[in-house]
Amino acid sequence: GQQLNQSPQSMFIQEGEDVSMNCTSSSIFNTWLWYKQEPGEGPVLLIALYKAGELTSNGRLTAQFGITRKDSFLNISASIPSDVGIYFCAGSLTVYGGSQGNLIFGKGTKLSVKP
Amino acid sequence: DGGITQSPKYLFRKEGQNVTLSCEQNLNHDAMYWYRQDPGQGLRLIYYSQIVNDFQKGDIAEGYSVSREKKESFPLTVTSAQKNPTAFYLCASSSGLADGELFFGEGSRLTVL
Repeated sequence: GQQLNQSPQSMFIQEGEDVSMNCTSSSIFNTWLWYKQEPGEGPVLLIALYKAGELTSNGRLTAQFGITRKDSFLNISASIPSDVGIYFCAGSLTVYGGSQGNLIFGKGTKLSVKP
Repeated sequence: DGGITQSPKYLFRKEGQNVTLSCEQNLNHDAMYWYRQDPGQGLRLIYYSQIVNDFQKGDIAEGYSVSREKKESFPLTVTSAQKNPTAFYLCASSSGLADGELFFGEGSRLTVL
């Protein structure tokens, strides 16, 4: 079946550093999403991307939908301790009205921030 | 405030017992989902329901059962047939207007002794 390869698996950074993580697939997706999960909680949607080449920001977060539709990246600038958590990418074949059963999640990037 | 409520947060059960996890939402969402999360793994879909009285198997439905009698509720039963039930279970819902945009509950951690 379809898989998303998310890297790196984990990151240990110093507060104030920038962070970059990415997600790749052998298949095309028409929607890319990034979620963050804090310890003991459910994931929360950070950014949703619906168009190839789209670059979207949400505060210190920036995500891009790759031109090939087979990848996406997430950048976090000037990291702070509350950025700690697991970041998941997710891909969907459809944009609107599709079956949500087709949503595929990556295995996550665990981010640790040292004050 | 609108949201998704999962209960219980922590659950311990003996091997061979069935257990039911509750999921309630007041977001007026049509679609609801159950995911399983294991350490170092992504989220794997167990079951999903796009409308009341209808549900579909996900990638790992064996050993699980669900019902969707009300729009607000989507309980998950982990049966004794599930060979490795210890995991973190996440319930989610969506309006269905934009694919992939899910609202998750806080999760239920099931430990089978």
